[in-house]
Amino acid sequence: LAKTTQPISMDSYEGQEVNITCSHNNIATNDYITWYQQFPSQGPRFIIQGYKTKVTNEVASLFIPADRKSSTLSLPRVSLSDTAVYYCLVGPYNNNDMRFGAGTRLTVKP
Amino acid sequence: EAGVAQSPRYKIIEKRQSVAFWCNPISGHATLYWYQQILGQGPKLLIQFQNNGVVDDSQLPKDRFSAERLKGVDSTLKIQPAKLEDSAVYLCASSLGSGRETQYFGPGTRLLVL
Repeated sequence: LAKTTQPISMDSYEGQEVNITCSHNNIATNDYITWYQQFPSQGPRFIIQGYKTKVTNEVASLFIPADRKSSTLSLPRVSLSDTAVYYCLVGPYNNNDMRFGAGTRLTVKP
Repeated sequence: EAGVAQSPRYKIIEKRQSVAFWCNPISGHATLYWYQQILGQGPKLLIQFQNNGVVDDSQLPKDRFSAERLKGVDSTLKIQPAKLEDSAVYLCASSLGSGRETQYFGPGTRLLVL
């Protein structure tokens, strides 16, 4: 499984767009990129998954450059309730073995 | 649709005692996972079941941890005997299949070993 690197923490203010970048230099051809969100005292929750270019859903967008060695999770107009830990995971589509790192702790301030 | 249920939510025991956690996955989900999350770290996979068979238990400390999933539905994770370093949140998750599908997590059981 590809190793991922993401910032330990980030601060933002309500209404701003937040971009969290994850590096995965050793990503394999059949690997997908998945992001999960975890609020305090809760289990992680799936946000978005992609393979290349751009994926968008009602919660976030995921940008993946052509070389796929990094990816960026974009949260539009964050609110205080977006304060959470965000995890980037990389692995093959036929394998649900997810190795969570420490994630990025996002704090949204008023 | 009901989510993943776990019980108890909290447990405090003394070292060398035994403890068991229970998980009821989302109905119809074939795959069930147990994770250990130590404070400040991401979840670590302990064991993965596909129906009632074990797919991956490579990170399960088998000298003290055991898990079973009878009839391919509910699952129980046991620690015997517990050590101080077992203090953590134990998360159960389930997914429809074993591919890279969305995993749905329960609220977890917070264990404190004194």
